[in-house]
Amino acid sequence: ETGVTQTPRHLVMGMTNKKSLKCEQHLGHNAMYWYKQSAKKPLELMFVYSLEERVENNSVPSRFSPECPNSSHLFLHLHTLQPEDSALYLCASSQTLEPGELFFGEGSRLTVL
Amino acid sequence: GQNIDQPTEMTATEGAIVQINCTYQTSGFNGLFWYQQHAGEAPTFLSYNVLDGLEEKGRFSSFLSRSKGYSYLLLKELQMKDSASYLCAVRDSNYQLIWGAGTKLIIKP
Repeated sequence: ETGVTQTPRHLVMGMTNKKSLKCEQHLGHNAMYWYKQSAKKPLELMFVYSLEERVENNSVPSRFSPECPNSSHLFLHLHTLQPEDSALYLCASSQTLEPGELFFGEGSRLTVL
Repeated sequence: GQNIDQPTEMTATEGAIVQINCTYQTSGFNGLFWYQQHAGEAPTFLSYNVLDGLEEKGRFSSFLSRSKGYSYLLLKELQMKDSASYLCAVRDSNYQLIWGAGTKLIIKP
């Protein structure tokens, strides 16, 4: 199994839909992250979880709602998104909260119509 | 504010050498990372520098000068599979990762 798995790989949704992105890591890491990647822009950190507790929320709009039910799984619940939210959403994990090497999933490509 | 600059795009020839530069201005410094990201794939770790100097790993080398706020990634004997985006990231004094926008490297035969 690959280290960090994200589903779905592609998602198209309307502005009134509710959908969720899922991330699973098989590395036994303690920290998990959601990043937003837009074309020609730096990675934007959205949320950080350490041992299932949220430790950072980088001023992300409430239409994005994270959930970390256990140390291996991370969700990003999406509700009433805007077209500018269209991007690649990357999940990552690291051994500890102070990130050395990050292990990324392949991302979920989101298009909001 | 914190800032990382790297060229948007570079082109090089198969078999040649290319150097991708990264300059940074951050609140403190606790290491610099390079990641490779092929189109449609996950970023993968390439190198880590925390002390000044050159770190060599096969065809790839990474250099750091903390006094100049500067790093470069050197790729030798370029292969077509090296076509990818290369991301520079700096860990600041709060251990937050600050990312550059990435350099898209195009390798031509």
